[in-house]
Amino acid sequence: QGQLVQSGAEVKKPGSSVKVSCTASGGTFRNYPVNWVRQAPGQGLEWMGGITPIFGTANYAQKFQGRVTLTTDESTGAAYMELSSLRSEDTAVYYCAQKGGGHCSGGSCYYLDYWGQGTLVTVSS
Amino acid sequence: QSALTQPASVSGSPGQSITISCTGTTSDIGVYNYVSWYQQHPGKAPKLIIYGVTDRPSGVSNRFSGSKSGNTASLTIFGLQAEDEAHYYCCSITTTSTLVVFGGGTKLTVL
Repeated sequence: QGQLVQSGAEVKKPGSSVKVSCTASGGTFRNYPVNWVRQAPGQGLEWMGGITPIFGTANYAQKFQGRVTLTTDESTGAAYMELSSLRSEDTAVYYCAQKGGGHCSGGSCYYLDYWGQGTLVTVSS
Repeated sequence: QSALTQPASVSGSPGQSITISCTGTTSDIGVYNYVSWYQQHPGKAPKLIIYGVTDRPSGVSNRFSGSKSGNTASLTIFGLQAEDEAHYYCCSITTTSTLVVFGGGTKLTVL
């Protein structure tokens, strides 16, 4: 319970878009924000944004504003991260992550207990 | 450039203690107690080891300890063990439009 499962690796051309999915093994994301974090090869973690399923409202890191779209689909129980105008620097492992349980208020909603297995997105011509 | 500053690397011998610093600003660590730390082994997803500056999730060893003073948070690992060799990342909520920021990461080597 609490496991997050992501879609498989993708290879994309520069200028195209990619959409990565994340599903909760329990079938529901509950009310905690679903976050997306990426990690370029040999680099650190970078928060891209988060979406609260119950409200459908998203917060985006300033760096990705206008280029990333986070959504959830109640019918499939999945969360999605779509990144557009891809460039080589977007080659990275993309993770979805979420708080595992307990009280969630303000910043405490962003303690990331559960992580997906990661999705490698390679951008290459 | 990461919003939170960590040393690139630290090292210690088995049984020793080490401390990793994480320096932020008055827009993140300095104003909030929403500091967390993650451990990441090669090829694996990060693991939450400290939240709320000082608290440990269930199952995390009490050899891991967090603290904060002003704009700087710290992670101390007591009684180093070989399996502690990993990358460590600090994280904080911010007052800016980028709600969550990570540190650049610190590679811990157990000699």
